[in-house]
Amino acid sequence: DAKTTQPPSMDCAEGRAANLPCNHSTISGNEYVYWYRQIHSQGPQYIIHGLKNNETNEMASLIITEDRKSSTLILPHATLRDTAVYYCIVRDPNSGNTPLVFGKGTRLSVIA
Amino acid sequence: GAVVSQHPSRVICKSGTSVKIECRSLDFQATTMFWYRQFPKQSLMLMATSNEGSKATYEQGVEKDKFLINHASLTLSTLTVTSAHPEDSSFYICSARARTRGGNTEAFFGQGTRLTVV
Repeated sequence: DAKTTQPPSMDCAEGRAANLPCNHSTISGNEYVYWYRQIHSQGPQYIIHGLKNNETNEMASLIITEDRKSSTLILPHATLRDTAVYYCIVRDPNSGNTPLVFGKGTRLSVIA
Repeated sequence: GAVVSQHPSRVICKSGTSVKIECRSLDFQATTMFWYRQFPKQSLMLMATSNEGSKATYEQGVEKDKFLINHASLTLSTLTVTSAHPEDSSFYICSARARTRGGNTEAFFGQGTRLTVV
């Protein structure tokens, strides 16, 4: 799986949009971009994934650059409950029943 | 989405004793489950891959005789930490892949087990 690079930490004011960047310059054509988050003392939670088009669901939006070398996860109206570590992972979904490999992620602190 | 249930959520045990952690897939069958360990302020590290009906596959540096994995059914994998020591204190998390309504296969995680060895 391709390696990703994320800032170690970010702060965001409550109610504002949180924009979390991820660099994945070595991503291959078959690899998707996945985002998970881990709230303190809980297991990781799936957020969203995409291949090349922008994606949106009830939790977040995912913006992928045209060259696919980077992406941004957007939480449109961050709340205190969004404080967590956010992991960006690139993976080929057809790579079989293989585990996710986690980097260090970005620790997002939402501040009242 | 699919549900992976882990039990117990917290356990405190004495040094030298063994602790069993259960991981269940509640609404799907999982031929493969994964066990991770996470130390404070660090990321999840894969320990082993649990395979139903066969031996688990351990990552380099993980002692298979210390961390016993049993995957006897399609919905249950157990991790037993044998002869626990304080350095085994950690957050243990299991994961399984399931097909979502959209047709994709995604990874789902248990709630984690906080093990403290005293």
